[in-house]
Amino acid sequence: DTGVSQNPRHKITKRGQNVTFRCDPISEHNRLYWYRQTLGQGPEFLTYFQNEAQLEKSRLLSDRFSAERPKGSFSTLEIQRTEQGDSAMYLCASSPGDRGWGETQYFGPGTRLLVL
Amino acid sequence: GESVGLHLPTLSVQEGDNSIINCAYSNSASDYFIWYKQESGKGPQFIIDIRSNMDKRQGQRVTVLLNKTVKHLSLQIAATQPGDSAVYFCAEKGTGTYKYIFGTGTRLKVLA
Repeated sequence: DTGVSQNPRHKITKRGQNVTFRCDPISEHNRLYWYRQTLGQGPEFLTYFQNEAQLEKSRLLSDRFSAERPKGSFSTLEIQRTEQGDSAMYLCASSPGDRGWGETQYFGPGTRLLVL
Repeated sequence: GESVGLHLPTLSVQEGDNSIINCAYSNSASDYFIWYKQESGKGPQFIIDIRSNMDKRQGQRVTVLLNKTVKHLSLQIAATQPGDSAVYFCAEKGTGTYKYIFGTGTRLKVLA
């Protein structure tokens, strides 16, 4: 199965530390998305990439958050100076990027972050 | 594993019955909609999609209905099975963007 993969699956950190998550999309998928999901809520859009270009960012993505997709393949999401409110599931999704009107997003299993 | 959606609206149906899950979306300019299924500890899984120029689309055991007049989306699952137990989310995409907005979700419980 060559679906979307995310690493690590779980991360526990202390408040104030920096964390980085990695997402490997489905091969040849041009679009990559990051979402955050807290208990009892649907996924909240954070940002998306078309190849290596970051095209849209949510206002949820504060200056402590940064995402990159340097070669248009895998992506990283970094959170600096973590806060307890950052505790959530961070989901990555990818899509082919060859349809103009909308297309299926394939989600990874997520990285669950707990900030103590 | 940790559950998704501990305080979500819950729909309980008997195995074999049909299920209808509803969603109110927010943006009248949204042009594409998706229903996802999410099981505990997993990422959302695509079920069915529909474009705004359609009002109905059918898949295997699932049907999505779109009513743009009242900004309402529904997912119908025929002959509900225990494996259908999960949290279901609708998502909408606005015109000219690839930002998807998810609804709050509904937990479906299938009773044996």
